[in-house]
Amino acid sequence: NAGVMQNPRHLVRRRGQEARLRCSPMKGHSHVYWYRQLPEEGLKFMVYLQKENIIDESGMPKERFSAEFPKEGPSILRIQQVVRGDSAAYFCASSLTDGYNEQFFGPGTRLTVL
Amino acid sequence: DQQVKQNSPSLSVQEGRISILNCDYTNSMFDYFLWYKKYPAEGPTFLISISSIKDKNEDGRFTVFLNKSAKHLSLHIVPSQPGDSAVYFCAFSGGGADGLTFGKGTHLIIQP
Repeated sequence: NAGVMQNPRHLVRRRGQEARLRCSPMKGHSHVYWYRQLPEEGLKFMVYLQKENIIDESGMPKERFSAEFPKEGPSILRIQQVVRGDSAAYFCASSLTDGYNEQFFGPGTRLTVL
Repeated sequence: DQQVKQNSPSLSVQEGRISILNCDYTNSMFDYFLWYKKYPAEGPTFLISISSIKDKNEDGRFTVFLNKSAKHLSLHIVPSQPGDSAVYFCAFSGGGADGLTFGKGTHLIIQP
């Protein structure tokens, strides 16, 4: 089953460290989206990427957060100098085309900042 | 600025009965509407969707209704089954960003 894969599933970091979250989209999908879910909240859109391009990063915090989707390999969401408020579930989704097709989600990475 | 409201954090329904989940939205730019189901420690799973040119879409036990004039979206599940117990999110596309805009979710509990 070539669904959306995310790793690690759980990540613990101390304040000030870097967190790197990886996402492999479904086979044949070239559009990747990252979302963050805080406790008791819905998912919040962060960034939309196609291969080698950031299309929309309107939901991404301006500092410490970056994302990439290289020509080869998974998409990476990087959080530098993590703070306790970064603790959340981070979900990656992929779609076959952009626009209004359904997005298919991975199982998420639970980031805990100590 | 809450563009989407799911006003019921939880809903309890007896097995075999109809479950009705609701969402209200304010952004008139939304033009594609989806429902996702989520189990604990898993990612959301796509359930059903509807475009703005329709007012109803049916798939088996699941029916989505869209009332554009009222900016209201609902999901009907009938008959409800124990495996339907999960958190349900409405999600909206076309609101100005490329990602989906999600509600906060409704925890549906199906009682035996």
